[in-house]
Amino acid sequence: KAGVTQTPRYLIKTRGQQVTLSCSPISGHRSVSWYQQTPGQGLQFLFEYFSETQRNKGNFPGRFSGRQFSNSRSEMNVSTLELGDSALYLCASSPRAGRAEAFFGQGTRLTVV
Amino acid sequence: SQELEQSPQSLIVQEGKNLTINCTSSKTLYGLYWYKQKYGEGLIFLMMLQKGGEEKSHEKITAKLDEKKQQSSLHITASQPSHAGIYLCGADTNSGYALNFGKGTSLLVTP
Repeated sequence: KAGVTQTPRYLIKTRGQQVTLSCSPISGHRSVSWYQQTPGQGLQFLFEYFSETQRNKGNFPGRFSGRQFSNSRSEMNVSTLELGDSALYLCASSPRAGRAEAFFGQGTRLTVV
Repeated sequence: SQELEQSPQSLIVQEGKNLTINCTSSKTLYGLYWYKQKYGEGLIFLMMLQKGGEEKSHEKITAKLDEKKQQSSLHITASQPSHAGIYLCGADTNSGYALNFGKGTSLLVTP
């Protein structure tokens, strides 16, 4: 089985721009979660989608949004980028929502300049 | 405050030595997950523990869950350079919601 695929791997954006990151989960997995990882804050939960519905949301501003498509692929969008949004964004897929091991992609490294 | 505390923050051990990493939760644990991460890359799933007293092993890595103490430990026996990386514990503390993570333990294994 192919693993979790995130695109792009690297991205450089300017403050004020917006960005869209993509995540293709493992085939058959219906739950996709997004995390932001920074050296200072560690790994922080952004949101989780299951069957195209957002199940849970972390403590991030409304500039961070996401969605999930019928094929379980997910996208997250960050609008009006700030320097502090520079981070490694990780996507994880699980076969089901809730208590299940999550398998992570390689991440998208976003740098905001 | 951080729900999951990992200790130590970093560790340097000589190849062949044993080591233990701890993860303590301030909330009730419904599940505990261990991951390994190479710098700048994704997380590799190691083990999932769900029941108090549960212990799992994979190759030279053993993880235990002490539900009463809300604590888990990861033990590596006869460490090798390939064990180097960042070890993260993730916990299901909200009964079915997404994982919260500790800040990680950085492990370096020297020859």
